[in-house]
Amino acid sequence: RKEVEQDPGPFNVPEGATVAFNCTYSNSASQSFFWYRQDCRKEPKLLMSVYSSGNEDGRFTAQLNRASQYISLLIRDSKLSDSATYLCVVNYPYGQNFVFGPGTRLSVLP
Amino acid sequence: ETGVTQSPTHLIKTRGQQVTLRCSSQSGHNTVSWYQQALGQGPQFIFQYYREEENGRGNFPPRFSGLQFPNYSSELNVNALELDDSALYLCASSLGQPDEKLFFGSGTQLSVL
Repeated sequence: RKEVEQDPGPFNVPEGATVAFNCTYSNSASQSFFWYRQDCRKEPKLLMSVYSSGNEDGRFTAQLNRASQYISLLIRDSKLSDSATYLCVVNYPYGQNFVFGPGTRLSVLP
Repeated sequence: ETGVTQSPTHLIKTRGQQVTLRCSSQSGHNTVSWYQQALGQGPQFIFQYYREEENGRGNFPPRFSGLQFPNYSSELNVNALELDDSALYLCASSLGQPDEKLFFGSGTQLSVL
């Protein structure tokens, strides 16, 4: 089983749609959780950290369920500029060892 | 811009050769991590350097080695290149705390022929 797994994608949605990405991780000792965004042929950039209580940043909402080892990202009112690959990232204990999921590609269509 | 710079941006090598990739970390950051990203996959952790010492390593063979210098810049060296080493190599700098975000450079695209 892979350490971090994500929806395989790609997701093709119309502008204005709501889309949800799912991620599961295998190491229950994981400490920190993040969503990164990566545009084609560019470096990953932090979208948001994920906290146990859930957190929201504008149109983006992240949720963490430690018991189920599950992380989610919800994007409301999708924009064309949201088209990218979304990477689920988990930080393992004993150092800053970030493990990236394979990513889920999103295409928002006009 | 993240302030993390990598060089070169693109590189073409042949099988068996050796390559050195370079990374300058963001000012004030003492930790540098290297990742390999093959096409269509997420970045894979190679290793991390903290204050000039290796501070964690992923599942990569010993022919992948690195250095960190007193100014916290870093090098990734790969010996005996193989075709499967073709990938985007990403450097990320940070302050080294578990919940700190990573600041990535724009990467070096390595092609091994």
